[in-house]
Amino acid sequence: DIVMTQSPLSLPVTPGEPASISCRSSQSLLHTNGYNYLNWYLQKPGQSPQLLIYLGSNRASGVPDRFSGSGSATDFTLKISRVEAEDVGVYYCMHVLQPPYTFGQGTKLEIK
Amino acid sequence: QVQLQESGPGLVKASETLSLTCTVSGDSISNYYWSWIRQPPGKGLEWIGYIYDTGTTNDNYSGTTNYNPSVKTRVTISVDTSKNQLSLKVSSVTAADAAVYYCARQSRPGDPPVFDYWGQGTLVTVSS
Repeated sequence: DIVMTQSPLSLPVTPGEPASISCRSSQSLLHTNGYNYLNWYLQKPGQSPQLLIYLGSNRASGVPDRFSGSGSATDFTLKISRVEAEDVGVYYCMHVLQPPYTFGQGTKLEIK
Repeated sequence: QVQLQESGPGLVKASETLSLTCTVSGDSISNYYWSWIRQPPGKGLEWIGYIYDTGTTNDNYSGTTNYNPSVKTRVTISVDTSKNQLSLKVSSVTAADAAVYYCARQSRPGDPPVFDYWGQGTLVTVSS
């Protein structure tokens, strides 16, 4: 199985400041079609996970443009340009290259 | 607006079979791959498996399932296209199967998995 490793696991951020989460995979997620099969999700407190970014860098419908995804192969980053209070929750990366799909451990973002 | 709603017993006895249903509204279940994902209390997410089933025989991929090896010998995912529902069965449950279970829309055939719609989740507790 592909192992997904996130860092940091806890991320306190002051509102208005940027935030960055790293996700590394044990194997390259670069598909033969040129896309990286890596998605990002946010699970707000008490809610189901919601899709933020798919194929490494594509924002899902309705996701604010302060969220961006980058990276390739085994190293990926989710960036929030200016954190808002509504961004609190646990962020997960997930590889979808081939089954079994696996998630990172999660990064808990909290407001300072 | 696509909506997913999980349902089923919230309490299952150890060694018995867990059975859950996910009712889909706002789109045909035949058009997509669908997955089950679970989350033990206070822990991370685990993909359980997916299914694609059009309910017909004119699609070579209809009836496709794929399960996580961690649960493969105990899991069955199926679809009832007439009810627009998917189901999950996990046999011989143990305390390790206690979790919130989510159903999620995975992708259209041929598209990369995105999991763009999720149910609200249903908590399953395992009693001894």
